[in-house]
Amino acid sequence: DAGVTQSPTHLIKTRGQQVTLRCSPKSGHDTVSWYQQALGQGPQFIFQYYEEEERQRGNFPDRFSGHQFPNYSSELNVNALLLGDSALYLCASSLVETGSYGYTFGSGTRLTVV
Amino acid sequence: AQSVTQLDSQVPVFEEAPVELRCNYSSSVSVYLFWYVQYPNQGLQLLLKYLSGSTLVKGINGFEAEFNKSQTSFHLRKPSVHISDTAEYFCAVTPASSNDYKLSFGAGTTVTVRA
Repeated sequence: DAGVTQSPTHLIKTRGQQVTLRCSPKSGHDTVSWYQQALGQGPQFIFQYYEEEERQRGNFPDRFSGHQFPNYSSELNVNALLLGDSALYLCASSLVETGSYGYTFGSGTRLTVV
Repeated sequence: AQSVTQLDSQVPVFEEAPVELRCNYSSSVSVYLFWYVQYPNQGLQLLLKYLSGSTLVKGINGFEAEFNKSQTSFHLRKPSVHISDTAEYFCAVTPASSNDYKLSFGAGTTVTVRA
């Protein structure tokens, strides 16, 4: 049974560019959450998607946006990249009934902004 | 809102020695508590979680944690560590019942096990 799959694993972007990160949830899961983990810090909640809608959002600017597709997969988009957006981006999936205590995390996408 | 403080940023320990990682949390409501482990260049793996019931929680790889409501703590312990336990450990909290679905994480504790 495949777990959470994220792509790409690494990428390098230039300041001002836009990036799209992708996440396929664990089979059977219907909710996807995104976290940003800066170097040496704990993960910070960006937002959660359920039924193709953003259900909750953390303290991130509007440059961060997302989408959930009918097959429950999700994308995270970041516009006008800043150096400070360099981080590991983690996707977590769960069942809506279990919420955050039923998370399965992916291995992350390492984004470097130069 | 909830917050987590991990009291030790780095914990060096010798192989086969015990280890304790300290975690305090702040919340005005009841919470669920978690410990995750992150190996280099990997995502987060759940070690254990406290939802309700017994305050002593046993997890994978020989880890256990004790929930102390009066001291708002959730310390992680392992009686005998292995080299393979070298990793980053995160304590996290979420409200037990609300429309707040996110996990709030501490800054992490780096455990380095030496032979």
